[in-house]
Amino acid sequence: DIQMTQSPSSLSASVGDRVTITCRASQSIINYLNWYQHRPGKAPKLLIYAASSLQSGVPSRFSGSGSGTDFTLTISSLQSEDFATYYCQQSYTTPPTFGGGTKVEIK
Amino acid sequence: EVQLVESGGGLVQPGGSLRLSCAASGFTFNKYWMNWVRQAPGKGLEWVATIKQDESEKYYVDSVEGRFTISRDNAKNLLYLRMSSLRAEDTAVYYCARETYYDSSGSDAFDMWGQGTMVTVSS
Repeated sequence: DIQMTQSPSSLSASVGDRVTITCRASQSIINYLNWYQHRPGKAPKLLIYAASSLQSGVPSRFSGSGSGTDFTLTISSLQSEDFATYYCQQSYTTPPTFGGGTKVEIK
Repeated sequence: EVQLVESGGGLVQPGGSLRLSCAASGFTFNKYWMNWVRQAPGKGLEWVATIKQDESEKYYVDSVEGRFTISRDNAKNLLYLRMSSLRAEDTAVYYCARETYYDSSGSDAFDMWGQGTMVTVSS
């Protein structure tokens, strides 16, 4: 199985900050990488698919980049509703696997 | 409104069985692969199982292979997960998730999720 490693596991930031989360795959997954946002008690939400494509309806402050084994999710200007846990997930092969998550907390 | 609503969770003893359901609405259910994903307390997301539109292909995470069965009823827009020989480590919120294939990139992602149903395995 492909292992997905996210860093950091948590971070504290203020509204308006630029936030960057990284995800590394244990082998090349080309660009088969998705990002999700998960707020407590809510359904997870797809933000980015295919490493850099913005899902319909997702604000443009979210962006993704990377290929091969190293990927990045960036929030250009953090908003109050962005405090949540973020997960990367590879869709290159079965089983699809998720990173351990990055919890974004209020500073 | 496009939505997925899970039901059937609850408290079950180790070794017991449970069937989860997921009701889909607002989209053409029989055109999509469907999945179950779970989150154990304090842990991250873990994919559990997937099923093709016509049930001809089903795949499972190793830890549930032989114990869980995914199925669907396209006439009723329902997805199921039959869980047996349950263990404490199966305790989790179980989400159903729609899988969409993106022609532009040749990739797929879980683009719609339900709110989840809690399964607790304990004596």
